[in-house]
Amino acid sequence: ETGVTQSPTHLIKTRGQQVTLRCSSQSGHNTVSWYQQALGQGPQFIFQYYREEENGRGNFPPRFSGLQFPNYSSELNVNALELDDSALYLCASSLEAGVNTGELFFGEGSRLTVL
Amino acid sequence: QKEVEQNSGPLSVPEGAIASLNCTYSDRGSQSFFWYRQYSGKSPELIMFIYSNGDKEDGRFTAQLNKASQYVSLLIRDSQPSDSATYLCAVSGSNYQLIWGAGTKLIIKP
Repeated sequence: ETGVTQSPTHLIKTRGQQVTLRCSSQSGHNTVSWYQQALGQGPQFIFQYYREEENGRGNFPPRFSGLQFPNYSSELNVNALELDDSALYLCASSLEAGVNTGELFFGEGSRLTVL
Repeated sequence: QKEVEQNSGPLSVPEGAIASLNCTYSDRGSQSFFWYRQYSGKSPELIMFIYSNGDKEDGRFTAQLNKASQYVSLLIRDSQPSDSATYLCAVSGSNYQLIWGAGTKLIIKP
């Protein structure tokens, strides 16, 4: 069974730049969620994609956007990077869209540093 | 603002003892409750989930839920050094999201 993989694992950007993070979901999973985790904090929900449609969004500005592809892999794009965007970005896949129905399988994350 | 609160710790427990981790939440509409374990530099992994009031046991782990008090806890029996990690409480919110606490750092002393 293929786990959740994320790339890149680490990257450094400067303020104002744009970044794309990628995630391959676990085999058989059709739902991908993205979370931002600042140091010493719990994850913050960015959005969720179910069958290529965004079906839930947290309190993040529009410069955070995403995509899900027919093979259920996903991208997170962040435009106009700010210093506070420095964090660990976690992708999680699940069998269905509802959080009540099962567990989230997390990738190892992409650590973004904005200088 | 819907919140999940946890004591940040660190909580230090002798090996073989019971570790008790607590979490309170603000949204009375929450239906599902999760405990995740996160080792330093790693991603969270699910330990337990609980939907109904009462206790749920899985091996050395017991989750307890009291919806009236908006309180959920995790007990770890026979604590091992490998249990040393940050434990994150997560609660279902609207919009298919989980709302997370900041985590409690647990240290098991040999």
